[in-house]
Amino acid sequence: DAGITQSPRHKVTETGTPVTLRCHQTENHRYMYWYRQDPGHGLRLIHYSYGVKDTDKGEVSDGYSVSRSKTEDFLLTLESATSSQTSVYFCAISPGQGAATNEKLFFGSGTQLSVL
Amino acid sequence: AQSVSQHNHHVILSEAASLELGCNYSYGGTVNLFWYVQYPGQHLQLLLKYFSGDPLVKGIKGFEAEFIKSKFSFNLRKPSVQWSDTAEYFCAVNADDKIIFGKGTRLHILP
Repeated sequence: DAGITQSPRHKVTETGTPVTLRCHQTENHRYMYWYRQDPGHGLRLIHYSYGVKDTDKGEVSDGYSVSRSKTEDFLLTLESATSSQTSVYFCAISPGQGAATNEKLFFGSGTQLSVL
Repeated sequence: AQSVSQHNHHVILSEAASLELGCNYSYGGTVNLFWYVQYPGQHLQLLLKYFSGDPLVKGIKGFEAEFIKSKFSFNLRKPSVQWSDTAEYFCAVNADDKIIFGKGTRLHILP
């Protein structure tokens, strides 16, 4: 398995509090992604990064921010958590885009977040 | 914006039956296409991928998929399913650096 560590694995928090999830990789891959997985919705892209300090919005970015100050770390912050953000959050990494880079997503084990 | 549509939300088959899961995408440019599988309690794993060339791609565990550009489709097939194929299957498209997933198809194989 690719070296991806998500922390924490489980988090329970209250509405209105800020929450930061961390994704750490040891593969030196360029691309990093944050997804949320909800029943009936599959995986939805929140934000992604294509390099240090290079990030962009995904499908469901409202209420979330990200930062990538180092290649190995990609942080996801819920600025003021709401119950609708209760979900399983997956980090994924990829070496690059297209056949030349053997593009493929490697997923972390996920973070179960409950917002009460 | 690109999108991915999976037609079947839940499929139930008996062992040895043939499988085809539909996937259509919406994007006008060049795309890379993927099928991922998620077994119960696990994270997603790559089944197969298409970048260019032969539109019929073969993946792991006997799965294959056919890219039909004119139909914007990338359907997943397996000639004879096994009980161990019980899982959720996701089609994904990479366009403009974003990797977008469909909502998934839950496949349940009866022994």
